[in-house]
Amino acid sequence: AQTVTQSQPEMSVQEAETVTLSCTYDTSENNYYLFWYKQPPSRQMILVIRQEAYKQQNATENRFSVNFQKAAKSFSLKISDSQLGDTAMYFCAFMDWGGGADGLTFGKGTHLIIQP
Amino acid sequence: NAGVTQTPKFQVLKTGQSMTLQCAQDMNHEYMSWYRQDPGMGLRLIHYSVGAGITDQGEVPNGYNVSRSTTEDFPLRLLSAAPSQTSVYFCASSYSMPGQGSSGANVLTFGAGSRLTVL
Repeated sequence: AQTVTQSQPEMSVQEAETVTLSCTYDTSENNYYLFWYKQPPSRQMILVIRQEAYKQQNATENRFSVNFQKAAKSFSLKISDSQLGDTAMYFCAFMDWGGGADGLTFGKGTHLIIQP
Repeated sequence: NAGVTQTPKFQVLKTGQSMTLQCAQDMNHEYMSWYRQDPGMGLRLIHYSVGAGITDQGEVPNGYNVSRSTTEDFPLRLLSAAPSQTSVYFCASSYSMPGQGSSGANVLTFGAGSRLTVL
């Protein structure tokens, strides 16, 4: 079974700063997907970014980018020019490549607070 | 396009009562699933379905039943609620098996969540 570990329960930064959220995972699979989801106070789960393990290039979505280190089984999220609206819980998640019927395996989350 | 709709948003039950959390999607998604979210635990998969008439267990299925009689609906039933089932429940769906293909089209879409309290 896969496990996902987020070692930072809470982080706080000033608006406009850059922040990096850590995620490590454990799997014996070679191909898989990794995700970062954002959960604001509204409780809605919002996909931030997605990475296929076979791709060496790190995924980017506007101010959000990842540092995917497959050998180290590390998948960190970098938020540049942080904004007040980025305040939320952030979950790292893993999914098997071959059909993912078992769904996503989530980490316990990091509570990110952006201070004005 | 409503996406994934969950009802109710909030519910309080007494121990031993039964209830059904409703989930409906209007995107013609074949795959549907239920997760629960507990403080400090992330989300955990309860049950999932890969199409009408087909369901299977996830990581934490005990105490919950599901059925899938139509493509659109995937209700989650608590037959005899227990305080340990106090949680926030999320329904999620995708067009087909999550992750299939490289286009990214099969990323899960989540509902807004249902907060359940069992006293």
